Amino acid sequence: NAGVMQNPRHLVRRRGQEARLRCSPMKGHSHVYWYRQLPEEGLKFMVYLQKENIIDESGMPKERFSAEFPKEGPSILRIQQVVRGDSAAYFCASSPGQGYSYGYTFGSGTRLTVV
Amino acid sequence: DAKTTQPTSMDCAEGRAANLPCNHSTISGNEYVYWYRQIHSQGPQYIIHGLKNNETNEMASLIITEDRKSSTLILPHATLRDTAVYYCIVSSGSRLTFGEGTQLTVNP
Repeated sequence: NAGVMQNPRHLVRRRGQEARLRCSPMKGHSHVYWYRQLPEEGLKFMVYLQKENIIDESGMPKERFSAEFPKEGPSILRIQQVVRGDSAAYFCASSPGQGYSYGYTFGSGTRLTVV
Repeated sequence: DAKTTQPTSMDCAEGRAANLPCNHSTISGNEYVYWYRQIHSQGPQYIIHGLKNNETNEMASLIITEDRKSSTLILPHATLRDTAVYYCIVSSGSRLTFGEGTQLTVNP
């Protein structure tokens, strides 16, 4: 039973380019969460999605960032016109459902470097 | 979700028990206590969780006080590979909010 799969593991983008980060949840999990960890900082919640729905995007920056979790395929975190401050590790987690007492399973993350 | 307070750092000798405290005095009745750890910027790893009873699994034990205002994570025989940042999180499960955690360093 594969865990949460994130790809790519490392991503380098030039300023102004777009970054697309993918997350495939664990089998049977329909809830996905994205977190960002800036260098030397803690994990910050970004967005919570169910299939085809954004449930909570209170942690998403207002501009340039978007997330989706289509009916088929992985969840995508998209960052348009990247800037150096977007350089961070982005972690995805999944769970079977909201309020599920067993918490989340995290992926290994995508390290985004903006040059 | 209730806020948690943890020491910034702790040290433990290899082979000894590591006891990591967490205060969560504003916890509400439907909130669980979760513990995760993050080893050197890897993805956070689930350790254990509990509601009000003490819990034990192959990794650790979780002791929750009767009033649920604090808890202790116990790693019974710490190894060098247990060096990590340990996060205590209180949540009803809708989302997990990570604080600063405790940097546990296991020394040889």
